[in-house]
Amino acid sequence: EPEVTQTPSHQVTQMGQEVILRCVPISNHLYFYWYRQILGQKVEFLVSFYNNEISEKSEIFDDQFSVERPDGSNFTLKIRSTKLEDSAMYFCASSERWGTPEAFFGQGTRLTVV
Amino acid sequence: AQSVAQPEDQVNVAEGNPLTVKCTYSVSGNPYLFWYVQYPNRGLQFLLKYITGDNLVKGSYGFEAEFNKSQTSFHLKKPSALVSDSALYFCAVRDMGYGQNFVFGPGTRLSVLP
Repeated sequence: EPEVTQTPSHQVTQMGQEVILRCVPISNHLYFYWYRQILGQKVEFLVSFYNNEISEKSEIFDDQFSVERPDGSNFTLKIRSTKLEDSAMYFCASSERWGTPEAFFGQGTRLTVV
Repeated sequence: AQSVAQPEDQVNVAEGNPLTVKCTYSVSGNPYLFWYVQYPNRGLQFLLKYITGDNLVKGSYGFEAEFNKSQTSFHLKKPSALVSDSALYFCAVRDMGYGQNFVFGPGTRLSVLP
């Protein structure tokens, strides 16, 4: 069964460093998302991406964050200068096309900022 | 704006007994409703969805959920709980007339006691 894969599963970084979280969406999917879950809290929407541009973003997704689809298979989330409060589980998801109700989530990357 | 409420932080049930995890929602248009489950240190696993049609939807692992439009609820149920069902359960909504992103509830931790 096709699945969304995320790497790494766990990343530890020092405050102020840049991190890139990687995702490989399901191959024929066109619509991509990033969500985050701070430990013990609910899953929050960060950004959606369609047709090589951001289609929606939340207030959490400030100038420190960026997304990119560098090639035909990867979808990345970059945090330029990490803060302690960026420590969270980050989930990538993908949908087949615009308007498809279902999205498939990856296993997540646990980011720890020290 | 869309919102999802899960009124119980924690639900405890004895193995073999029926379980219910509650969810209510608020959307401006027609909702697409979902349940996801998260096991410790794992990603979000899709359980079931309501898009249209029959108000009772069946999903993975024997779970089902009933869509009630008048009460704006989408409670998750299972006739006979297993210890292995113990996990964190998230209700989510997509209002396709408003935006593409999911809005998640805060989660309910289910503990099934042997």
